[in-house]
Amino acid sequence: EVQLVESGGGLIQPGGSLRLSCAASGFTVSNNYMTWVRQAPGKGLEWVSVIYSGGSTYYADSVKGRFTISRDNSKNTLYLQMNSLRAEDTAVYYCARDLAVAGPPAYWGQGTLVTVSS
Amino acid sequence: DIQMTQSPSSLSASVGDRVTITCRASQSISRYLNWYQQKPGKVPKLLIYAASSLQSGVPSRFSGSGSGTDLTLTISSLQPEDFATYYCQQSYSTPPTFGQGTKVEIK
Repeated sequence: EVQLVESGGGLIQPGGSLRLSCAASGFTVSNNYMTWVRQAPGKGLEWVSVIYSGGSTYYADSVKGRFTISRDNSKNTLYLQMNSLRAEDTAVYYCARDLAVAGPPAYWGQGTLVTVSS
Repeated sequence: DIQMTQSPSSLSASVGDRVTITCRASQSISRYLNWYQQKPGKVPKLLIYAASSLQSGVPSRFSGSGSGTDLTLTISSLQPEDFATYYCQQSYSTPPTFGQGTKVEIK
């Protein structure tokens, strides 16, 4: 069974850094497209970043240069390193796995809340 | 970036109604369109991918159609458990943008 468990969220001051983790089970992270999607309180879904099975990475313009997606194959875990955090980064962050390689995100974690506030 | 615009932004409907939600892309996306359902406090759930392919376990009252710039999600007979917010997402190009959502409420 595919399972994704995010962790690492919390309250952080503007300008601070945080690293989110997404522990996967039931499949191999490095064999799939892994995505981060966020949802600000009361708002819609916003795509953040993806790492392809081949290792290529892409980012939304809103986070480019501040966020870094990565994976640890030995731990079967996906990460999102978030630097220079802003109030507008406040959101629930979901990690997701593709339906099949290169397919849409179909398996989602429960999300972790990041609150950027002084 | 491709902009995705859903209409309507919200609707009120009764159990048993036929409901149609439209997603318009700012440029052609062929059939690279996915639909998600999200209930309050819950994780998004993939309903339909590639415009019309039903995800495993999703009831057949959900269907998707269209190609190019105008695609639709139809619920043939609305059920109580279908009251939720629906999002489209294009997967034609990166970034794979979402629509703003359509909230389906009980009339």
